[in-house]
Amino acid sequence: QVQLVQSGAEVKKPGASVKVSCKASGYTFTSYYMHWVRQAPGHGLEWMGIINPSGGSTSYAQKFQGRVTMTRDTSTSTVYMELSSLRSEDTAVYYCARVGQAWEAHDAFDIWGQGTMVTVSS
Amino acid sequence: QSVLTQPPSVSGAPGQRVTISCTGSSSNIGAGYDVHWYQQLPGTAPKLLIYGNSNRPSGVPDRFSGSKSGTSASLAITGLQAEDEADYYCQSYDSSLDVFGTGTKVTVL
Repeated sequence: QVQLVQSGAEVKKPGASVKVSCKASGYTFTSYYMHWVRQAPGHGLEWMGIINPSGGSTSYAQKFQGRVTMTRDTSTSTVYMELSSLRSEDTAVYYCARVGQAWEAHDAFDIWGQGTMVTVSS
Repeated sequence: QSVLTQPPSVSGAPGQRVTISCTGSSSNIGAGYDVHWYQQLPGTAPKLLIYGNSNRPSGVPDRFSGSKSGTSASLAITGLQAEDEADYYCQSYDSSLDVFGTGTKVTVL
């Protein structure tokens, strides 16, 4: 079945970096764009950026420009999201989400990962 | 801050009909971009509820319906059930980025 499985919870100190993975299975990895969305405790969904698993091109929300890097490994059907210079406000659940239409960059997200809790605390 | 505004909360008794609005502008919903809706149960990842303004993925009950007009969209839940108690988010596209609504908590009285 189609699924996205993310890496486990992380605890980081302010100023550190975190790298979250999202492993896809059950479909052709390179045919579907992937997005990253985060949700701070008690808050709504916040879009972070998008990666094209085929060519690796990316586009990030302006808020995260310079701090976020999204990459992919086609050999393992895995996308990664690395966030640097962490601060307490980055404490959140981070989700990867697949666009439901093949080759469409912006459309509904039909499959979501289970989420990865990242806690930033000294 | 989100560019798509939703009411913070709505409530209704079992069996009733509730609607959730998603208000945007001429740069997103009003520009013709599709609106999608997600349901998020406590402690779980969001689940696609409505795509392309008014389409339901397979497995989503027909109690859920979506519509769009001008710079706004709406999600309606008819025959409200206890298991519908959750957070709901709209999503669209604006100036080269995806945007989510502020979110609405639905409470079943």
